[in-house]
Amino acid sequence: NAGVTQTPKFRILKIGQSMTLQCAQDMNHNYMYWYRQDPGMGLKLIYYSVGAGITDKGEVPNGYNVSRSTTEDFPLRLELAAPSQTSVYFCASSFRPSTDTQYFGPGTRLTVL
Amino acid sequence: DQQVKQNSPSLSVQEGRISILNCDYTNSMFDYFLWYKKYPAEGPTFLISISSIKDKNEDGRFTVFLNKSAKHLSLHIVPSQPGDSAVYFCAAGGSNYKLTFGKGTLLTVNP
Repeated sequence: NAGVTQTPKFRILKIGQSMTLQCAQDMNHNYMYWYRQDPGMGLKLIYYSVGAGITDKGEVPNGYNVSRSTTEDFPLRLELAAPSQTSVYFCASSFRPSTDTQYFGPGTRLTVL
Repeated sequence: DQQVKQNSPSLSVQEGRISILNCDYTNSMFDYFLWYKKYPAEGPTFLISISSIKDKNEDGRFTVFLNKSAKHLSLHIVPSQPGDSAVYFCAAGGSNYKLTFGKGTLLTVNP
C-alpha cells in the first residue's frame, strides 16, 4: 500500500494563477481531509469528504474548492492564488470519522509570490 | 478561538529522561484525543490516542493521561530517545467528522 500520496511536493505560483493539488489514497477510506499548516501554527481543516460525491467546508475554505468523484481521489483546487495561501498542504484519510486515526500524505509546500 | 492549546512551543530534554508534553482543551464535546508526531518535510503520523472514558493509555514508551475535569491531557515519553525529536501535535475530536489540532510542541532530545 502506498497510503496517502500527494503531488506535487513543491510549487511556486504567481498571484492570480490557479492550480490543483492532487491527493490519492489506496486504503479504501471513506473519509478524506485537506489541511493547511502555516508556520508555527497547527493544522487547519480546509475541506473534508465523507464519501464519493459528498464534500463539506472546514474551518478555512475560502479560496479553495474540492471534488470527490471517486473514493480514492480528493483534489484541492486553488483559484486566483493569493500570498495568504502560501502554506504547507496536507491531505489525510481515515476509515471512520474523528475518533479514528487519520493517515497523512507527505504534504505539498506552496509559495505564492 | 483556540479550542486545543499547546502552550509550550518547545521542550528540550536529555536522552534517557522523561519528556512530558501538555495539551489543554476548552470544548466539553470533545470525547477523543490523539497525539501525532511530525518530522520535518513529512506528514504527521499517529502516535497514541485516548477516549474520554479512560484516564490513561499506554503504548510502549508512550503514555497519554487525560484529566477531564481539568480539560487537560499529557503525553509522557519514557525513556526519551534522540529519534523522538520531532513536533508533537495534540488533536481532539467529537461527534462530528473533524479533528481540531493544537499548534504543536517541538521536542528536542539531546544525546
